Amino acid sequence: RKEVEQDPGPFNVPEGATVAFNCTYSNSASQSFFWYRQDCRKEPKLLMSVYSSGNEDGRFTAQLNRASQYISLLIRDSKLSDSATYLCVVGFYSGAGSYQLTFGKGTKLSVIP
Amino acid sequence: DAGVIQSPRHEVTEMGQEVTLRCKPISGHDYLFWYRQTMMRGLELLIYFNNNVPIDDSGMPEDRFSAKMPNASFSTLKIQPSEPRDSAVYFCASSLGGGTGNSYEQYFGPGTRLTVT
Repeated sequence: RKEVEQDPGPFNVPEGATVAFNCTYSNSASQSFFWYRQDCRKEPKLLMSVYSSGNEDGRFTAQLNRASQYISLLIRDSKLSDSATYLCVVGFYSGAGSYQLTFGKGTKLSVIP
Repeated sequence: DAGVIQSPRHEVTEMGQEVTLRCKPISGHDYLFWYRQTMMRGLELLIYFNNNVPIDDSGMPEDRFSAKMPNASFSTLKIQPSEPRDSAVYFCASSLGGGTGNSYEQYFGPGTRLTVT
């Protein structure tokens, strides 16, 4: 079983649409959760952290369900500039300087005019 | 701050040659990570350092790969000898610390696109 699983897409949506991505993770001891965004031929960049209570940043809403080991990202009122690959990321910190992030393979989003 | 700096941005080499990738992390960041990204396998962690000390190199594919961090502002990833299957984008990333919250955010460099023919 892969550590972090995502639907690779692509998701092709019209401008203004609402789109949701889901992600599951296998390590129940994971402690931190993120969504990163990666544009074509660019480096990944942090989009937002995901908190247990859920959090919102403008048109973006992220939610975490620890019981089901499930993370989601909702994008409202999609813009052309939202076209990118969205990476689900899970972090685990074991102390003594040892921690790492595990990245999903990403979900590709194309917003169409 | 200039962000994470990587060089070269592109590297084309022949099978069997030695390849050295370089990274300068963001000043003050305690953690440095080397990743490899391919279409098939996605983004894979190769090795990471905390305060210049290698913590986990379990992701290094084989003995042909080695990484060093001689000081807080410089790291290298070396492949010797290189093989066509090493072709990928290699990213270096750094982060402020290993605590909770924003210290986990990793800042990526622009990557080195390696092609081994």
